[in-house]
Amino acid sequence: QVQLVQSGAEVKKPGASVKVSCKASGYSFTSNGISWVRQAPGQGLEWMGWISPYNGEKSYAQKVQGRVTMTTDTSTSTAYMEVRSLRADDTAVYYCAREERSGYFIYWGQGTLVTVTS
Amino acid sequence: IQLTQSPSFLSASVGDRVTITCRASQGISSYLAWYQQKPGKAPKLLISAASALQSGVPSRFSGSGSGTEFTLTISSLQPEDFATYYCQQLNSYPLTFGPGTKVEI
Repeated sequence: QVQLVQSGAEVKKPGASVKVSCKASGYSFTSNGISWVRQAPGQGLEWMGWISPYNGEKSYAQKVQGRVTMTTDTSTSTAYMEVRSLRADDTAVYYCAREERSGYFIYWGQGTLVTVTS
Repeated sequence: IQLTQSPSFLSASVGDRVTITCRASQGISSYLAWYQQKPGKAPKLLISAASALQSGVPSRFSGSGSGTEFTLTISSLQPEDFATYYCQQLNSYPLTFGPGTKVEI
């Protein structure tokens, strides 16, 4: 069965960086893109960007462009998202999700809480 | 593409018929999905392509619409349906979500 397993919770200081991983199993990793979606406490869903494990093509949301880098390692079927220059308003649960052909998400990771606090 | 949802909050009873509306700032054909999210959980896909019910989702859920106006209907609200519902446009990057509709007892 398809599974996306994310790395554990992180606590970071403002200005630091965080790298969240998302290990995929149960399907051919290069067949589907991976999107990252975050949710601040008590807030809605915010799409951050997408990467194709097949060819490395990426698309980032304008709000995080320049601070976020998405990568994949096809040898381990793992996607990564790094956020730099962290701010308090980056505090959120970060989800990875497998993107189906039409852009919707059936399979999601369990979420990774990133807390930015001094 | 901006998405708005109405209402943002809905108080209802078990057995009620509930309708949530999602409007897009420009035409997106039928490239819209609906998700249900419960506290502490990842969103769950209910409907894709505006009206295609995802496998395993109860038939009391239905979606309709195209272009700029879409609706999610729950024909008879069940206790497990109390959650927050989000629409998502799939027409173009950046993908965007609506702000959500919280359905409470």
